[in-house]
Amino acid sequence: GESVGLHLPTLSVQEGDNSIINCAYSNSASDYFIWYKQESGKGPQFIIDIRSNMDKRQGQRVTVLLNKTVKHLSLQIAATQPGDSAVYFCAESHFGNEKLTFGTGTRLTIIP
Amino acid sequence: ETGVTQTPRHLVMGMTNKKSLKCEQHLGHNAMYWYKQSAKKPLELMFVYSLEERVENNSVPSRFSPECPNSSHLFLHLHTLQPEDSALYLCASSPQTGDYEQYFGPGTRLTVT
Repeated sequence: GESVGLHLPTLSVQEGDNSIINCAYSNSASDYFIWYKQESGKGPQFIIDIRSNMDKRQGQRVTVLLNKTVKHLSLQIAATQPGDSAVYFCAESHFGNEKLTFGTGTRLTIIP
Repeated sequence: ETGVTQTPRHLVMGMTNKKSLKCEQHLGHNAMYWYKQSAKKPLELMFVYSLEERVENNSVPSRFSPECPNSSHLFLHLHTLQPEDSALYLCASSPQTGDYEQYFGPGTRLTVT
């Protein structure tokens, strides 16, 4: 069946450094990908999304890269700040499917 | 209140109890969702409502019963739950079903004893 998985359950990064969170997916038909951030005690919050006709998309301090050849997705956070500490989820969907398939999440910890 | 709110934030119930979770969205959205979030597992979609009509039921046990009286309110009625039902229950909304940018509430942390 379809699956979405993050490479590492936890990631620790020094404050000010760049963070890279990786995600792999299995469904070749996946054509939409989205990243969510979940802070402690809160629900997931949309960060950025990307469609399969793009390889890269940039937001404020975040960049998502998509490699369809190896079915790999990454979220890059520039100049990581304490407020970036959270669990990050990737999710995918495809045309005709109104549901998102979520990954298990990577907990990002910022070291002061 | 703005966004999506959920009450209660924490709930402890015995297996024979009946309780309800409440969700309210102040975004004018037409679609609402219930998700279950268990430790070390992906978010599981439980129910989807579009304009008060249930459009998705992801093989959820009948001990979970959703209700959507209007497009702003969503309930999850619970009865005779099992300990494995302990989890964070998240409500979300989006402008329409199929809109992937969903707005989540803070969740209700449910413990079944």
